[in-house]
Amino acid sequence: ETGVTQSPTHLIKTRGQQVTLRCSSQSGHNTVSWYQQALGQGPQFIFQYYREEENGRGNFPPRFSGLQFPNYSSELNVNALELDDSALYLCASSSGQGAYEQYFGPGTRLTVT
Amino acid sequence: GQNIDQPTEMTATEGAIVQINCTYQTSGFNGLFWYQQHAGEAPTFLSYNVLDGLEEKGRFSSFLSRSKGYSYLLLKELQMKDSASYLCAVRDSNYQLIWGAGTKLIIKP
Repeated sequence: ETGVTQSPTHLIKTRGQQVTLRCSSQSGHNTVSWYQQALGQGPQFIFQYYREEENGRGNFPPRFSGLQFPNYSSELNVNALELDDSALYLCASSSGQGAYEQYFGPGTRLTVT
Repeated sequence: GQNIDQPTEMTATEGAIVQINCTYQTSGFNGLFWYQQHAGEAPTFLSYNVLDGLEEKGRFSSFLSRSKGYSYLLLKELQMKDSASYLCAVRDSNYQLIWGAGTKLIIKP
């Protein structure tokens, strides 16, 4: 069974640029959630995808967008990067919205300069 | 608003017992989770409570009181590898996870 993978591991971008982060969900999981975790804070929910549809969204502006593909892998896109977007971006997969356990990927560390 | 409170930092001794508390106020309740997170790594699932009472899992136990909006994570026989942040998270009425800021647990020999 393959776990959740994310790419890239680390990324440095300049303010105003755009970035795409990728996540491959665990085998058999159809739900992917994305979180932003600033240093010393808990994760903040960005949005969730279930069977290719956005299924819930946290308090993030529209420049944060996403996609889920037929194989249930997912992308997080962030446009017009700001310095405050520097954080660890975590992807978690589960076998459904009501599943009690989410499996997290290792995260992508994004630094915006 | 939605709020989850837990202590910022706790210190305990190897071999001892520590209790990490979490209080919450959320829009609805569909379960409470505890995760462990080592520095620079992703959170790993520890426990899930949806009904009142104690759930035991090896050295770790988690307690929930829904009427009080309160949970705790109990760690027994502490080991140095237990040094990590412990995150409390509540799933709200929209099935979104609301997270606390985490409790950094420092274990001393």
